[in-house]
Amino acid sequence: AQTIHQWPVAEIKAVGSPLSLGCTIKGKSSPNLYWYWQATGGTLQQLFYSITVGQVESVVQLNLSASRPKDDQFILSTEKLLLSHSGFYLCAWSLGGDAETLYFGSGTRLTVL
Amino acid sequence: GDSVTQTEGLVTLTEGLPVMLNCTYQSTYSPFLFWYVQHLNEAPKLLLKSFTDNKRPEHQGFHATLHKSSSSFHLQKSSAQLSDSALYYCALSLQGTGSKLSFGKGAKLTVSP
Repeated sequence: AQTIHQWPVAEIKAVGSPLSLGCTIKGKSSPNLYWYWQATGGTLQQLFYSITVGQVESVVQLNLSASRPKDDQFILSTEKLLLSHSGFYLCAWSLGGDAETLYFGSGTRLTVL
Repeated sequence: GDSVTQTEGLVTLTEGLPVMLNCTYQSTYSPFLFWYVQHLNEAPKLLLKSFTDNKRPEHQGFHATLHKSSSSFHLQKSSAQLSDSALYYCALSLQGTGSKLSFGKGAKLTVSP
C-alpha cells in the first residue's frame, strides 16, 4: 500500500527565516507529486507539481521553490519567509493520468510570526 | 480561464435533512469534475468524480451528476448525518493535464442534531 509522509507536522518560524518542508511517498514508483497551500479559511491552491525526478513546474509564484531530488521525495523551501506564507501545506501524489485521484498527506501547519 | 464556482462559506443543516452543495464550472473543453471532502484536522480526500459515460458516481450516500448543458456537478445526499460535517471542495481538471486540479473556495458543512 502507498503511504505519504509529510514533515514536520507543524512549524512556527520568524519572518525572514528559511523554511524546508518535506514529503515522502512509499509504495509507488514515479508518481506525480504536488504541493498545495491552504490559507486559514481558504481554498486549496496548487503551488508546484512534478512528473519526474529533477523536474518541477511552478503554478503560482509565492516566493517559494520546490525540488524533487529523488523519485519518492518532494521538498518545498524558501530562504526568506513572509507573513503571508502562513497556512497549511499539503503534499499530494497521483498516478498521473487524466482524472486520477489526488492522495494528500496529513499536511504541515506553518505559522510565520 | 477554467474555473469552478461552488457553494461557499458556512452551510448549516439539521440531521436528516437533504444536502445540496452547488458546483458550476467554466471550461472551453470537457473537464473532469471532482468533489473532495476534508474533515477537521485531516487531509482532503476524494469523495466523488465524474465519469465520461454519464454514470452517476455515488459514495457514502453522496451522489453528483455531471450536466454538461448547465455546466454543473452539484453534490447531493438525501439525508444528512452528523459525520458529514466537513469542508467540501468542488474541483476541475482538464483532459491532458493529468491531475492538475483547480479547486473551488470550499463549503463548510455543519450538521447539527
